[in-house]
Amino acid sequence: GQQVMQIPQYQHVQEGEDFTTYCNSSTTLSNIQWYKQRPGGHPVFLIQLVKSGEVKKQKRLTFQFGEAKKNSSLHITATQTTDVGTYFCAGNSNSGYALNFGKGTSLLVTP
Amino acid sequence: AAGVIQSPRHLIKEKRETATLKCYPIPRHDTVYWYQQGPGQDPQFLISFYEKMQSDKGSIPDRFSAQQFSDYHSELNMSSLELGDSALYFCASIRTANTEAFFGQGTRLTVV
Repeated sequence: GQQVMQIPQYQHVQEGEDFTTYCNSSTTLSNIQWYKQRPGGHPVFLIQLVKSGEVKKQKRLTFQFGEAKKNSSLHITATQTTDVGTYFCAGNSNSGYALNFGKGTSLLVTP
Repeated sequence: AAGVIQSPRHLIKEKRETATLKCYPIPRHDTVYWYQQGPGQDPQFLISFYEKMQSDKGSIPDRFSAQQFSDYHSELNMSSLELGDSALYFCASIRTANTEAFFGQGTRLTVV
């Protein structure tokens, strides 16, 4: 079945530093979604990428979808303490119904 | 705006007991997902329903079952509970295929 791998598992940065998390799928994805989960909270949708090579930006966040539609990345420029949380990528299964999450990257930002 | 509602928020059960978790998706959303999330883990896909029919099945134990009712709410039934079933259980709904999933606040199940 589809496996979505994500690295790194943890990242600890100083406020103002950049952060990147990478997501790789064993199969070609129709689309990829990114979610953020704050400690004690529930996953919250950030963005969806659909096209090969697509790049989308949300303020300090930049999302990329690989040309082969098997990998994706999330880059945060100049992190802030409000960026703390776990970032998950998620892809639909071959059936199109299941949404499978990567292991997530937990980001800790210290002032 | 209406969100996904889950009940109860917290549940404590003893081993071998049963538990029923409820989920009320956002109105006019056609798909419901159930996830199990252990401490420090990613959400593990359990099962999904599209228009009240089971659409996909993930790592759901045989002791668990789920269904979606005519009013689109869904219930996850868990029997013969084990200590390892202690986790946060999320329900999520989507309006249509390949769109963003809206998650409920989750039900924290503790099996003692």
